Amino acid sequence: DGGITQSPKYLFRKEGQNVTLSCEQNLNHDAMYWYRQDPGQGLRLIYYSQIVNDFQKGDIAEGYSVSREKKESFPLTVTSAQKNPTAFYLCASSRGYESNQPQHFGDGTRLSIL
Amino acid sequence: AQSVAQPEDQVNVAEGNPLTVKCTYSVSGNPYLFWYVQYPNRGLQFLLKYITGDNLVKGSYGFEAEFNKSQTSFHLKKPSALVSDSALYFCAVRDGDQAGTALIFGKGTTLSVSS
Repeated sequence: DGGITQSPKYLFRKEGQNVTLSCEQNLNHDAMYWYRQDPGQGLRLIYYSQIVNDFQKGDIAEGYSVSREKKESFPLTVTSAQKNPTAFYLCASSRGYESNQPQHFGDGTRLSIL
Repeated sequence: AQSVAQPEDQVNVAEGNPLTVKCTYSVSGNPYLFWYVQYPNRGLQFLLKYITGDNLVKGSYGFEAEFNKSQTSFHLKKPSALVSDSALYFCAVRDGDQAGTALIFGKGTTLSVSS
């Protein structure tokens, strides 16, 4: 079955630590996205990638970094510069960034501070 | 600039009654409109979309939505609610005529269906 796999499901970060969230898709989609979800705030775009080896900042990129070395993979690093990292992080993909096709979502990673 | 609004934080309905979850949008061009549902600690699942054509769109799990261009609305509806429909619902919009624009999500509406 095609889909998006996010891991781990739960992650804990210590002060001053960088952590990396994994996102893998086998849908052969060109575009991939990272969103942050906080209660009552909907989804906010952190980074997106339209194609391999290319990515752009979204609305709340500060304190985060990404890479897109393979079409299937789009990992997100939450750096120590992100002072309020506690949230639910969702990865998504779509056929193309400007496609009229829907985005497909993984089941998220919940990040908390120790 | 494009935007989307879900004016109700929560909608409560009794099982078997019709339900409506409201969504209004603002884009300068032709809208691409989507509805998603999210269950606790899960990702978003796609329900239906409007790109062009018939204003009444049918989707998964018996849901439908009506595109109203004059009122810039895309309300989600279901004729008979189920307890299992209780979840968080998101409307999303993108300006289909503007290159490089992102998909914008509303803040979500919690649907609670009582038995």
